[in-house]
Amino acid sequence: IVLTQSPGTLSLSPGERATLSCRASQSVSSSYLAWYQQKPGQAPRLLIYGASSRATGIPDRFSGSGSGTDFTLTISRLESEDFAVYYCQQYGSSPVTFGPGTQVDIK
Amino acid sequence: QVQLVESGGGVVQPGRSLRLSCAASGFTFSTYTMHWVRQAPGKGLEWVAIISYDESHYSYADSVKGRFTISRDNSKNTLYLQMNSLRVEDTAVYYCARDEQWLVAPFDYWGQGTLVTVSS
Repeated sequence: IVLTQSPGTLSLSPGERATLSCRASQSVSSSYLAWYQQKPGQAPRLLIYGASSRATGIPDRFSGSGSGTDFTLTISRLESEDFAVYYCQQYGSSPVTFGPGTQVDIK
Repeated sequence: QVQLVESGGGVVQPGRSLRLSCAASGFTFSTYTMHWVRQAPGKGLEWVAIISYDESHYSYADSVKGRFTISRDNSKNTLYLQMNSLRVEDTAVYYCARDEQWLVAPFDYWGQGTLVTVSS
């Protein structure tokens, strides 16, 4: 399953809303779709799984939605620590695949 | 707390071999599916391989099939990746990650990564 993310880069200011898109080449089984955040020099961190469930310790400003082939990660109000790269992943079929990432930059 | 610590990275010539290790602690390693994921410099994440909790099932990305072997030693709480016939394009940070169940769970913990550089 090929995942496409848009936009490639999102330039926003703190306090603004960020909307990131992930589109799959075929339906993702049982919504086995996750979102990860990665900062420079760090490992990815799980944010969202099952398309819409927040991982342990993830603030509620992060939310996920979607099903089938179209998924969205929303950050309701950007904080300084949210500027990073975000990857979507489908983990329901082999091979596991990741999207190319969306970089969220400070405007 | 859950910890995954990779080791074994380094600089290696094309065609040579390298074995990576991932030492796990803070959870019952023998009950988790484990993965290797890599990230070339400045690039995105690429899944490499998966192994079931009991080593009965495994799978590989096409890009490494026939060259890399994933294995584990549950008595030592350690995951391995044997990399043979290395190519320049295998240069990347290699992460190990766990999931609760084969192909139904996300990667909830990751190691910090180990850098493999393939260069003559």
